[in-house]
Amino acid sequence: AQSVTQPDIHITVSEGASLELRCNYSYGATPYLFWYVQSPGQGLQLLLKYFSGDTLVQGIKGFEAEFKRSQSSFNLRKPSVHWSDAAEYFCAVAKTAGTASKLTFGTGTRLQVTL
Amino acid sequence: DTEVTQTPKHLVMGMTNKKSLKCEQHMGHRAMYWYKQKAKKPPELMFVYSYEKLSINESVPSRFSPECPNSSLLNLHLHALQPEDSALYLCASSQSPPSLSVDTQYFGPGTRLTVL
Repeated sequence: AQSVTQPDIHITVSEGASLELRCNYSYGATPYLFWYVQSPGQGLQLLLKYFSGDTLVQGIKGFEAEFKRSQSSFNLRKPSVHWSDAAEYFCAVAKTAGTASKLTFGTGTRLQVTL
Repeated sequence: DTEVTQTPKHLVMGMTNKKSLKCEQHMGHRAMYWYKQKAKKPPELMFVYSYEKLSINESVPSRFSPECPNSSLLNLHLHALQPEDSALYLCASSQSPPSLSVDTQYFGPGTRLTVL
């Protein structure tokens, strides 16, 4: 069965500092990986995804993620964090479910940004 | 445009009430999803509709009844809910290509449900 682990429940960074959020997955085949962000009381916004090809993926809001098969990881990075980046971040892996997809989410990492 | 809309934004209901949540998308997506999200937890899949047919029911209690009247619209009918059903209910949609490959789910803003 597929699973996703986000080891950090809560991370605090200073505005302007760099950020790395960790994500490890367990999946037998080629993983389809996503990062979503959720502001309090809001829905999930897609930051980026990896299906195949270049292992360094660029997303919205200046985020990027690197797929490392040897480490079963898909860590999210941002060179300089803004206060508006404070939110909950979910890593997810997907598999086909008939003609739809089924997402398995990690438990999330809450990012706090100090000014 | 990757917008999924949900109404209402907030809903308060008693345990004997009947209410419905609505989700709409106009991206031509053929798969639509309902998720339940409790505070400080990831979303949990409830139902999946693909090509207007229910394809996945994650053993959800019958007090939740989904409906997909057409490819753009998804409803969740609520009846005799319990206080523990209070949560954020999220709708999502995806293109659902016939090639049976994984595709991307786009989420709506959610409906915050409180059951008294």
